[in-house]
Amino acid sequence: DAKTTQPPSMDCAEGRAANLPCNHSTISGNEYVYWYRQIHSQGPQYIIHGLKNNETNEMASLIITEDRKSSTLILPHATLRDTAVYYCIVTRLNNAGNMLTFGGGTRLMVKP
Amino acid sequence: NAGVTQTPKFHILKIGQSMTLQCTQDMNHNYMYWYRQDPGMGLKLIYYSVGAGITDKGEVPNGYNVSRSTTEDFPLRLELAAPSQTSVYFCASSRGQSGNQPQHFGDGTRLSIL
Repeated sequence: DAKTTQPPSMDCAEGRAANLPCNHSTISGNEYVYWYRQIHSQGPQYIIHGLKNNETNEMASLIITEDRKSSTLILPHATLRDTAVYYCIVTRLNNAGNMLTFGGGTRLMVKP
Repeated sequence: NAGVTQTPKFHILKIGQSMTLQCTQDMNHNYMYWYRQDPGMGLKLIYYSVGAGITDKGEVPNGYNVSRSTTEDFPLRLELAAPSQTSVYFCASSRGQSGNQPQHFGDGTRLSIL
């Protein structure tokens, strides 16, 4: 399985862009990069995913390097409600479908 | 936009008792999952289902049972509750077997076994 490495914690000022890095140097060609977040003790919330190209949706942007060994999740204008643990996951496809293996994630603290 | 609905949200169970955690989804997803999350830890897969009538074990299935009689519902059964099963349980669903299909989660059931 492709393993991901994320910083354990980050701070961001409210209204500024939050850039959350993730290393996945052993990713395979058909594996996707997914980002989820977990606010306090709520269920994980899907944010965005990508394979090779950069992706953008209403929540965030995902920048994947050309060699696919790392990616960055960008929250363009962080708010206090974005304070959460963010998980970068490289999914493995097997009989269970798109397998998610949650690591430690990055605890993002958005400060006023 | 109901998505994945879990009941109950909280429950306290005595050692040795049994209970069923309910999960239903209204997105017509084929795949459904049960995870548990212990304090400060990531999620671990308990059981999953790829369609009605088909279930299989995940990483930590001991002490649990599941059934999938309909596409919408995927209940998780604890037969003889033990303190080690105190955890937060999350149900999730996804459309199908593709790397391009995200899982969508419910808000969880917080279960304490005393």
